[in-house]
Amino acid sequence: AQTVTQSQPEMSVQEAETVTLSCTYDTSESDYYLFWYKQPPSRQMILVIRQEAYKQQNATENRFSVNFQKAAKSFSLKISDSQLGDAAMYFCAYRSSGGADGLTFGKGTHLIIQP
Amino acid sequence: NAGVTQTPKFQVLKTGQSMTLQCAQDMNHEYMSWYRQDPGMGLRLIHYSVGAGITDQGEVPNGYNVSRSTTEDFPLRLLSAAPSQTSVYFCASSYWTGPVSGANVLTFGAGSRLTVL
Repeated sequence: AQTVTQSQPEMSVQEAETVTLSCTYDTSESDYYLFWYKQPPSRQMILVIRQEAYKQQNATENRFSVNFQKAAKSFSLKISDSQLGDAAMYFCAYRSSGGADGLTFGKGTHLIIQP
Repeated sequence: NAGVTQTPKFQVLKTGQSMTLQCAQDMNHEYMSWYRQDPGMGLRLIHYSVGAGITDQGEVPNGYNVSRSTTEDFPLRLLSAAPSQTSVYFCASSYWTGPVSGANVLTFGAGSRLTVL
């Protein structure tokens, strides 16, 4: 079974600065997908970014980018120019290529934005 | 598009009562699933379905039943609620494209908060 570990229960960053959230995972599969989801106080799960394991290029979505290190099984999220609206729980998640067993989530990192 | 709709948003039950959490999607997604979220935990998969008439267990299926009679609906039933089932429940759906379905992004509902006294 796959596992996902987020070692930072809470992170704090000043508005407009950059923060990196860590995620490691364990799998014996070679083909899979990795995701970062944001959960604001509204509780809605919002997709932030997705990475295909077969792609060496790191995914980027505006101010959000990942550092995907397949050999190290590491998938960190970098948020640039942090904004107050970025404050939320962030979950790293793994999905196997077949996809039937859904997402395996980490325990989350609570991101605080200091004004 | 409404996306994934969950009802009710909040529910309080007494131990031993039964209830059904409803989930409906209007995106013609074949894959539907239920997760629970407990404090300090990520979401954990309860049950999933890859199409009408097909369901299977996830990581934490005990105490829950599901059925899938239509593509649109995937209700989650608690037959005899227990305090350990106090949680926030999420329904999620995606397209199902066979062996590479893992690439399909899950769309989540807004969640249902259930308290069992």
